[in-house]
Amino acid sequence: AQRVTQPEKLLSVFKGAPVELKCNYSYSGSPELFWYVQYSRQRLQLLLRHISRESIKGFTADLNKGETSFHLKKPFAQEEDSAMYYCALRDQAGTALIFGKGTTLSVSS
Amino acid sequence: SQTIHQWPATLVQPVGSPLSLECTVEGTSNPNLYWYRQAAGRGLQLLFYSVGIGQISSEVPQNLSASRPQDRQFILSSKKLLLSDSGFYLCAWGGTGLAKNIQYFGAGTRLSVL
Repeated sequence: AQRVTQPEKLLSVFKGAPVELKCNYSYSGSPELFWYVQYSRQRLQLLLRHISRESIKGFTADLNKGETSFHLKKPFAQEEDSAMYYCALRDQAGTALIFGKGTTLSVSS
Repeated sequence: SQTIHQWPATLVQPVGSPLSLECTVEGTSNPNLYWYRQAAGRGLQLLFYSVGIGQISSEVPQNLSASRPQDRQFILSSKKLLLSDSGFYLCAWGGTGLAKNIQYFGAGTRLSVL
């Protein structure tokens, strides 16, 4: 079965603290994973995808096939990082994305 | 450049009334199109997707239906709304080439069924 699990509904951290948003997946074969972000009053948008192996706004995510995880990390959180974050997995047919339930990140000073 | 439009932005409808939400995409041809519902605590749920005119795949059996009468138009409908249809509805289109599997979202429609 294809599934994405984000175990935390809410993650609250202080500005400057490290952040790790957890994502685990279930998939047969080679997964393609994404992180999407929705800032307040803005559209849901792509943050990063694992095949790009890039850092966006200081965030990185590494695919760990052994642990079936794709956690999103940032060493020093900023207040503007406060948003809803969704982890997503390309489905087996390659047509649609399967999203997790999302984690709200709240960064306070 | 490609843009996606959804309307209306907000809608309040009585139980039992019909629904029609529209989504259009500009700047691309033959996109994959998607309807999602975003509900608190349930995340982003894929409702329908379409790979071409008249081709609709339903992911979740429910009170809603979708149609794609034109290449860049995707419509979400219901004949009789239920209270449980309340939520935030998002339309998205799928990229191609290097952007394959990336989805681009509209601003959404907040539907309240009373």
